[in-house]
Amino acid sequence: GQQLNQSPQSMFIQEGEDVSMNCTSSSIFNTWLWYKQDPGEGPVLLIALYKAGELTSNGRLTAQFGITRKDSFLNISASIPSDVGIYFCAGLSYNTDKLIFGTGTRLQVFP
Amino acid sequence: KAGVTQTPRYLIKTRGQQVTLSCSPISGHRSVSWYQQTPGQGLQFLFEYFSETQRNKGNFPGRFSGRQFSNSRSEMNVSTLELGDSALYLCASSPQQGPYTFGSGTRLTVV
Repeated sequence: GQQLNQSPQSMFIQEGEDVSMNCTSSSIFNTWLWYKQDPGEGPVLLIALYKAGELTSNGRLTAQFGITRKDSFLNISASIPSDVGIYFCAGLSYNTDKLIFGTGTRLQVFP
Repeated sequence: KAGVTQTPRYLIKTRGQQVTLSCSPISGHRSVSWYQQTPGQGLQFLFEYFSETQRNKGNFPGRFSGRQFSNSRSEMNVSTLELGDSALYLCASSPQQGPYTFGSGTRLTVV
């Protein structure tokens, strides 16, 4: 199945550090979404981006919709232990109405 | 506002059996999508329903089917289960087009 290229695959960081992850696609998307998934649960929406170039924050999280509409990044500042989980990007094209997910970034935060 | 409800949470089935999973979307949401999540393949799109019609379909065999009722509740069915069908099945709903809110999923184990 189709997936977006998400990197890095995993990150091991110390509490208080900043984190950055990104997603790239060969296709253009109209919407970029970032989700976080805890073990045994469904993904929870963190940030939604609707316009190329848009920069949106949600607390310590900041995400941007790339100008080319083929990429997006997510930053987490001053990480804390509860940031642990798997982060997924997802792109939505109005042509297909299908939400395509990235391969995920597994984040571990050490105290 | 109640979230997306998936039942059952856990299910164990034997190879060759069939299974039906249920999803109740957020009230007012008319689009329901289904995803399969496995460690090796990540989140893979199964199908999407809108107003009782299948609007999109992923690349899964015909053993995977779904339907949506007039109250927007959806079911997915997998017939002739195989070991490789063991996965977390996630349902997501949206008003019309993203962003999608996910349920907690149904963990299916095929033995």
